[in-house]
Amino acid sequence: SYVLTQPPSVSVAPGQTARIPCGGNNIGSKSVHWYQQKPGQAPVLVVYDDSDRPSGIPERFSGSKSGNTATLTISRVEAGDEADYYCQVWDSSSDHLVFGGGTKLTVL
Amino acid sequence: EVQLVQSGAEVKKPGESLKISCKGSGYSFTSYWIGWVRQMPGKGLEWMGIIYPGDSDTRYSPSFQGQVTISADKSISIAYLQWSSLKASDTAMYYCVRLTDSTWGFDYWGQGTLVTVSS
Repeated sequence: SYVLTQPPSVSVAPGQTARIPCGGNNIGSKSVHWYQQKPGQAPVLVVYDDSDRPSGIPERFSGSKSGNTATLTISRVEAGDEADYYCQVWDSSSDHLVFGGGTKLTVL
Repeated sequence: EVQLVQSGAEVKKPGESLKISCKGSGYSFTSYWIGWVRQMPGKGLEWMGIIYPGDSDTRYSPSFQGQVTISADKSISIAYLQWSSLKASDTAMYYCVRLTDSTWGFDYWGQGTLVTVSS
């Protein structure tokens, strides 16, 4: 089955740029979606279709892909960005939806 | 405004049955896939299955096939997730989600239903 790999944690100082990778075989052929989940809350979609932002999501959130890795980039990180972040794709070959294991972003 | 409103928290004993619900509003309920996502305490997100309320086409994650049943009543815009015999390991938060049109991201999430199974 298809697997998405994320690092368990990423740390960044306020005002700096956080990059959260999501690795998967042939991920370039899939649409990648990213979710933010703060403690005690439901997840929220922050990037869809690799690099699009839903309305209401700050421009500081962006997505990209290169090779077998998709990346969520958060510019000018704020304390309020501290959360768990998950990547997700639809694997058409198996017709399964897949989540990465999640990355905890810590703002130092 | 699109909303998914889930039923309230449940406390059950092992072996009991349970059906939780998710009511969609603010959009055409029969035109979008609805899914269910599990989050066990302190753990990540797991896709359980999806249903297309327009024709009740249903697909399950292999991890949940045979363990739960997903259904929908399009006349009242409600999707359901049910268990016939709960286990302690079913203790988790369950989210319903709406899938985007073609690339199947989850653009709207319910508030979650906490299910606790304990003797």
